[in-house]
Amino acid sequence: SQTIHQWPATLVQPVGSPLSLECTVEGTSNPNLYWYRQAAGRGLQLLFYSVGIGQISSEVPQNLSASRPQDRQFILSSKKLLLSDSGFYLCAWTYGDGLNEKLFFGSGTQLSVL
Amino acid sequence: GNSVTQMEGPVTLSEEAFLTINCTYTATGYPSLFWYVQYPGEGLQLLLKATKADDKGSNKGFEATYRKETTSFHLEKGSVQVSDSAVYFCALGGTYKYIFGTGTRLKVLA
Repeated sequence: SQTIHQWPATLVQPVGSPLSLECTVEGTSNPNLYWYRQAAGRGLQLLFYSVGIGQISSEVPQNLSASRPQDRQFILSSKKLLLSDSGFYLCAWTYGDGLNEKLFFGSGTQLSVL
Repeated sequence: GNSVTQMEGPVTLSEEAFLTINCTYTATGYPSLFWYVQYPGEGLQLLLKATKADDKGSNKGFEATYRKETTSFHLEKGSVQVSDSAVYFCALGGTYKYIFGTGTRLKVLA
């Protein structure tokens, strides 16, 4: 069966430090991958999505970047974190085609920038 | 562009009460519609979905009907339990992009 792993679960980083969050999917090939951010008291904001290795689409200009070095690996990065980068980051992937497509989420990373 | 609007919470109900969480959408084309649930400290879990007009999605006693004429996908449950306390997200999706509402927090009291 397919599973998605996301780590770390929690992270506390100082302003100006770098960031690297990793997500991997098992049990499937060529998944569509997504990074979402959920700020306190707000909904989900789509940050990036990827339909294949090296293919990244950015939805919102910001202090973050994403990379997909392998088929089932999706990385969210920043060179210098800002206070406003704090939030709950969720990796997700889609399973199925067309009307059968479903979006599944990882367990999330709570990032606090201090 | 596509968007989802859902009622603001929090919604506080007594156990066994009837639940409705409103969701309306704006979309071009015919997207699939979803409800996701998020328990504290966790990611989102798919609760139910509907892929075309008049489809009814259902799961764990929850249900929602895809209403094209009113562009709505309201979530309902006849009798809520304390364990249903969570944040519920309405979403529309298709062709790589999934748009979520801001979430509605439900608190069920024993």
